[in-house]
Amino acid sequence: QSVLTQPPSASETPGQRVTISCSGSSSNIGSYTVDWYQHLPGTAPKLLIYSNNQRPSGVPDRFSGSKSGTSASLAISGLQSEDEADYYCAAWDDNLNGPVFGGGTKVTVL
Amino acid sequence: EVRLVQSGAEVKKAGQSLKISCKASGYRFTTYWIAWMRQMPGKGLEWMGIIYPSDSDTRYSPSFQGQVTFSADRSINTAYLQWSSLKASDTAIYYCARPETSRAFDIWGQGTVVTVSS
Repeated sequence: QSVLTQPPSASETPGQRVTISCSGSSSNIGSYTVDWYQHLPGTAPKLLIYSNNQRPSGVPDRFSGSKSGTSASLAISGLQSEDEADYYCAAWDDNLNGPVFGGGTKVTVL
Repeated sequence: EVRLVQSGAEVKKAGQSLKISCKASGYRFTTYWIAWMRQMPGKGLEWMGIIYPSDSDTRYSPSFQGQVTFSADRSINTAYLQWSSLKASDTAIYYCARPETSRAFDIWGQGTVVTVSS
């Protein structure tokens, strides 16, 4: 059972928008910023969003992040087939004194 | 180019020891922490802990304290994760990653698959 809660799957047709939620508590998301990672099995995870809503260089602006209270979300607009991957949220946690991750959301492009 | 390159897949028997590696290049190895993460089959990512290569200061997640050992060799820019006695439940993919100033992991290794048979 992951500390952060994500839906196991999400799907949408190409060109549409999909949103992934990430729910935590006051010891993690409520007190710290949230990061998002994209992971294609067999490859290295990739940092997609850091500090709630910042995109590293090279990440398309189709990807956006937001946070409110103890929840965060990742939105992918203009969905493309190459966006099919697992997406993980993460935040520092006071109880662990380290980062905690969500269980991951598998995005399928229909 | 900043990279973390991990050692190859391992197949071991329960009770055996193992040391896997994570070689850094393209940046000053001693100025960034290196974290280790575990991904068990069909599961999400778990933070195992972190090491600072400059002085080998280490922090372990309580779930992994006493189960694994982190080390680093500054002379070859390489971090290590080792087990003294593997269990079947150690079967997983292990990733090393570099946290940057925001604590986000901006660079990841490609992962090392560890398979332990009982």
